[in-house]
Amino acid sequence: EPEVTQTPSHQVTQMGQEVILRCVPISNHLYFYWYRQILGQKVEFLVSFYNNEISEKSEIFDDQFSVERPDGSNFTLKIRSTKLEDSAMYFCASSERRAQGYTFGSGTRLTVV
Amino acid sequence: DAKTTQPTSMDCAEGRAANLPCNHSTISGNEYVYWYRQIHSQGPQYIIHGLKNNETNEMASLIITEDRKSSTLILPHATLRDTAVYYCIVRSENNQGGKLIFGQGTELSVKP
Repeated sequence: EPEVTQTPSHQVTQMGQEVILRCVPISNHLYFYWYRQILGQKVEFLVSFYNNEISEKSEIFDDQFSVERPDGSNFTLKIRSTKLEDSAMYFCASSERRAQGYTFGSGTRLTVV
Repeated sequence: DAKTTQPTSMDCAEGRAANLPCNHSTISGNEYVYWYRQIHSQGPQYIIHGLKNNETNEMASLIITEDRKSSTLILPHATLRDTAVYYCIVRSENNQGGKLIFGQGTELSVKP
């Protein structure tokens, strides 16, 4: 069964450093998403991406965050200057159509120290 | 997006049907009901979705009441591996970005 692949599975970074979280969506999917989950809290929407542009973003997704689909297969989330409160599991997801259940990756655990 | 109400937790005996309820009394006509589950901090997993007709797939059945104000997810023969948090989410298909708004969900424990 096709999978959404995320790397790395765990990343530790120092506060103020830039991090890039990587995702390879399912190959024929056109809609891409990032969510995050702080330990013990709800899964929160960050951003959706379609046709090489952001479709929607949440209040969490401020100027420190950016997304990119650099080569037609990867989908990345960059955090420019990490803060302690950015520590969370970050999940990438993709779907073939907008009105469809989507497939999540297994996540990247980001720890900011 | 409409909000949903789910019980915080439920138990189910292995091999029995698990029936997970969800209330979505403010759902509007163009909003679908989606169910996802999350097993111990793994990525959420899509289960099923529907608009007004009952739906069934290899994982589960979704029963939506005629007035669409509530629904039930049925796992026909629960196994220990079905222990997870189950999320009922209402999503508009006019939603520009297709985002999902997760609540706290129902923590289902399947017991031997």
